[in-house]
Amino acid sequence: QSALTQPRSVSGSPGQSVTISCTGTHSDVGGYNYVSWYQHRPGKAPQLMIYDVTERPSGVPDRFSGSKSGNTASLTISGLQSQDEADYYCCSYADGYNWVFGGGTKVTVL
Amino acid sequence: VQLVESGGGLVQPGRSLRLSCTASGLTIDDNAMHWVRQVPGNGLEWVSGVSWNSANIGHADSVKGRFSISRDNAKNSLYLQMNSLREDDTALYFCVKGRRDAFEIWGQGTAVTVSS
Repeated sequence: QSALTQPRSVSGSPGQSVTISCTGTHSDVGGYNYVSWYQHRPGKAPQLMIYDVTERPSGVPDRFSGSKSGNTASLTISGLQSQDEADYYCCSYADGYNWVFGGGTKVTVL
Repeated sequence: VQLVESGGGLVQPGRSLRLSCTASGLTIDDNAMHWVRQVPGNGLEWVSGVSWNSANIGHADSVKGRFSISRDNAKNSLYLQMNSLREDDTALYFCVKGRRDAFEIWGQGTAVTVSS
């Protein structure tokens, strides 16, 4: 159960797009279409932004989108806004009724 | 609609603690439930999960053999029995309701500090 690999930080100006990668193995990201993404602001509970690789829960803006290729999943935030500044975590279902998170990526809006 | 955790606190290494989570304004009997923790200043770590009917249970390698997850659907509640606690178990523990294989609704967390 090794953590998924995410960049420590990404940044962009308002209106730009940023993409966060999430790399795992064939036993987690590559083996299942069960990748999810979470936004976590300090002092608040994490919020589900994407599930099943590409699906958005109701209420999540369509500026947030997910994708996957092989063992790497990605979260793209288009039209970056100041309120998007937060930590983002990917997570994948893994073999044997397990889940594994990425180390988290800090998104900074310049 | 909320999940409320309780049972956290300060405990000495080697001792036990039992966390509880009660759902309010929602039912959990159709969903998997999980515990996720965050060490201060660090990222999220999945700890344990249980399917809606308790047929499937999983634990992270870091807690396997020491922690045990259980649920009581009649009481709309989830539990985490934590034995042989270590200092690196110190964290904020979140109770989470599953949606398919994601984590949909999160509680505010209960803090566990393991220290002598």
